[in-house]
Amino acid sequence: EAQVTQNPRYLITVTGKKLTVTCSQNMNHEYMSWYRQDPGLGLRQIYYSMNVEVTDKGDVPEGYKVSRKEKRNFPLILESPSPNQTSLYFCASSYTIYSGANVLTFGAGSRLTVL
Amino acid sequence: AQSVAQPEDQVNVAEGNPLTVKCTYSVSGNPYLFWYVQYPNRGLQFLLKYITGDNLVKGSYGFEAEFNKSQTSFHLKKPSALVSDSALYFCAVRDMSGGGADGLTFGKGTHLIIQP
Repeated sequence: EAQVTQNPRYLITVTGKKLTVTCSQNMNHEYMSWYRQDPGLGLRQIYYSMNVEVTDKGDVPEGYKVSRKEKRNFPLILESPSPNQTSLYFCASSYTIYSGANVLTFGAGSRLTVL
Repeated sequence: AQSVAQPEDQVNVAEGNPLTVKCTYSVSGNPYLFWYVQYPNRGLQFLLKYITGDNLVKGSYGFEAEFNKSQTSFHLKKPSALVSDSALYFCAVRDMSGGGADGLTFGKGTHLIIQP
């Protein structure tokens, strides 16, 4: 089944404890992206990647890191999480971003709580 | 810069009645427009898109959307609502004037509640 898989789905952590949210897609997509969803703010893009070893900042990159060493994986790293990073996170992918018609496939989401 | 507005936080409709979820956009070039739906505890799912051509676009689950360039709108519609349509709906836009590398900009979402 074609899908985007995120782990963990739920996580409660404490301020300052480094964590990684993994994202993997099995569709050979070039483009991958991370979003956070907050009530009243909709989805905001954190980072995106056009292809392997190519990443760029989205609208709200502060406090996050990403890497794209392999085409299928795009982990989101919080080096020192803070309470304002409590949110619902989504990973998404598509074949390419250069064709505007390409549709994003989303993962099921990762709900992160930072105490 | 591209932007999307969904003016209603929540829309309530009785089952069997027609529904409309509103979306307006702002781009400097030609827009690509999308609707996504999010069911509880699930990721977003693609519903439909407008790229070019016919202003009325048909999508999944009986939904359709009408592109109106003069009003810069892309409202989502369905002739007869089902209780199972209750979900969070997102409109999104991509401005292709810059090559599209900026990705999608999403609206804040509209909760659609269908009452039995």
